[in-house]
Amino acid sequence: GAVVSQHPSWVICKSGTSVKIECRSLDFQATTMFWYRQFPKQSLMLMATSNEGSKATYEQGVEKDKFLINHASLTLSTLTVTSAHPEDSSFYICSARDLNTQYFGPGTRLTVL
Amino acid sequence: AQSVTQPDIHITVSEGASLELRCNYSYGATPYLFWYVQSPGQGLQLLLKYFSGDTLVQGIKGFEAEFKRSQSSFNLRKPSVHWSDAAEYFCAVGAPEGNEKLTFGTGTRLTIIP
Repeated sequence: GAVVSQHPSWVICKSGTSVKIECRSLDFQATTMFWYRQFPKQSLMLMATSNEGSKATYEQGVEKDKFLINHASLTLSTLTVTSAHPEDSSFYICSARDLNTQYFGPGTRLTVL
Repeated sequence: AQSVTQPDIHITVSEGASLELRCNYSYGATPYLFWYVQSPGQGLQLLLKYFSGDTLVQGIKGFEAEFKRSQSSFNLRKPSVHWSDAAEYFCAVGAPEGNEKLTFGTGTRLTIIP
């Protein structure tokens, strides 16, 4: 149980385009999901907390207009990187909360050319 | 504010040897405590967690961890490591009454030598 999926697993895009990443809880409902960013050989950096049916809460320093989060249902949250630039290239990981425990997706590798 | 320290950036052990990964936390009360493992290019997998009760918790893949309140520690152990245990290990703390966020340590990279 407690499986979280992410799609796509990797994506390459041109600078200036937008990319959408999906995070799904497959066997449980999650009112709260989280989006993280991870740089090579570093720990996870929380970007935002996504709550079903309400606006996401962004961490300090994270541009909410650049990283759009939508949590439209109890099993799906999406992260859209708008007008992506090479510095947005990173590994993005989502998690979904179930009974006080966060379960993580497999991550999405974004490369912006 | 809560914080987590994983003092060892990189540990190398021989296959079959025992393992202990250290984790110290700072929090005003007893937090929720977690150990996650990450293989290269993958997400994080939950190894075990502690909320309350028995201070020695068993997890998947033969791992266990012990919560020691007096030392503010939650060290991860395994009696005999396998080559497949090579990965990055993250300790994390959460506030039981708080905002659901996790605070992660910087991680410990485990290398297994034959």
